[in-house]
Amino acid sequence: AQSVTQLDSHVSVSEGTPVLLRCNYSSSYSPSLFWYVQHPNKGLQLLLKYTSAATLVKGINGFEAEFKKSETSFHLTKPSAHMSDAAEYFCVVSEGNAGNMLTFGGGTRLMVKP
Amino acid sequence: KAGVTQTPRYLIKTRGQQVTLSCSPISGHRSVSWYQQTPGQGLQFLFEYFSETQRNKGNFPGRFSGRQFSNSRSEMNVSTLELGDSALYLCASSLTSGLAGGETQYFGPGTRLLVL
Repeated sequence: AQSVTQLDSHVSVSEGTPVLLRCNYSSSYSPSLFWYVQHPNKGLQLLLKYTSAATLVKGINGFEAEFKKSETSFHLTKPSAHMSDAAEYFCVVSEGNAGNMLTFGGGTRLMVKP
Repeated sequence: KAGVTQTPRYLIKTRGQQVTLSCSPISGHRSVSWYQQTPGQGLQFLFEYFSETQRNKGNFPGRFSGRQFSNSRSEMNVSTLELGDSALYLCASSLTSGLAGGETQYFGPGTRLLVL
């Protein structure tokens, strides 16, 4: 069975400082991992995904994530936060044998202070 | 290319009623999945359809059902609504069955259902 734990429900940073959103996963098979972002009253937008190629994955808007199998982690980072990054972020796992079924973490709400 | 569309965007129903939500996937996508999002339970998988067949089902009661048409459009139905069914219902589409792993799913804006 697959599961995802987002270690922080809320993260607050100042504009221009680095962002770190933490995610640990559990999977019986080689997983695919995703980060999605949800702005208020909007659907989910894909930031990036890992599918067993390069362990450092670059996404949109300057975000990147590193897959660490030994630590079962997939943390999301960004060097410099922007006000527009304020949103809810979801770490997501899927296993090939589960088809398109996604398992979501609980979400991390990112607040960016001016 | 148009994104995933969901109708209606907002819906108010009363307990005991039933509701049907609609999802039109991105053109060419054959898989449609449904998710329920609530403050208490977060995002939970409801079911997935691929080529008109239900492939996966989440842990929801039988009051929740769905179907997919030959043009890949999908509907989900909730019968005998309960207060706890109030949620944002999200639809996602993808190109293939996802069995190769890592298939990207594209989400619609959701239908917000309020049950009174």
